[in-house]
Amino acid sequence: AQSVTQLDSHVSVSEGTPVLLRCNYSSSYSPSLFWYVQHPNKGLQLLLKYTSAATLVKGINGFEAEFKKSETSFHLTKPSAHMSDAAEYFCVVSGSSGGSYIPTFGRGTSLIVHP
Amino acid sequence: DAGITQSPRHKVTETGTPVTLRCHQTENHRYMYWYRQDPGHGLRLIHYSYGVKDTDKGEVSDGYSVSRSKTEDFLLTLESATSSQTSVYFCATGQGAQIGELFFGEGSRLTVL
Repeated sequence: AQSVTQLDSHVSVSEGTPVLLRCNYSSSYSPSLFWYVQHPNKGLQLLLKYTSAATLVKGINGFEAEFKKSETSFHLTKPSAHMSDAAEYFCVVSGSSGGSYIPTFGRGTSLIVHP
Repeated sequence: DAGITQSPRHKVTETGTPVTLRCHQTENHRYMYWYRQDPGHGLRLIHYSYGVKDTDKGEVSDGYSVSRSKTEDFLLTLESATSSQTSVYFCATGQGAQIGELFFGEGSRLTVL
């Protein structure tokens, strides 16, 4: 069984300040972890992924995430927020269930960026 | 980018009518998924397919059926639509390997009156 908890439904930051979106996961095996971004009225786009290589993962648009097995966390960060970062962000865990790969989504965090 | 197209993109229907949403891919991905997105719930898996004619239920499958007669097409059918099925539906595809990412369509907005 696997699950994902995104600890904040909304995060509000000012432009130019750091961003932290928190994600905790539960998995009975070594998971793959992903962050996706969804801009209004759009589909989802991959930001970055962790697949048991380096624990610090760099993604697009300056985002990065660190896999911490001891804390079962995969928090998303960015040093300096931009207005264009305002979107919905989803943390996803993916693993095998009876031979099939089932991605499980968190409920999402809405990032609001103030000028 | 993977070519994932959904149709229709918008549909308004009445309670009790059948509805079919289509997902078409051009990437020859093995796995295809249907999710629904509702405020406060993120994306929830309805059904998925791991090959032609191979499908299985997700966490919110009641009231939905699927079919996959060829690799590129995955159909989601609401046999008798209800207002609780008003939602945005997303199709996604992937290779299924643990390192694989998902590729998403643009979504289909369904309103059941």
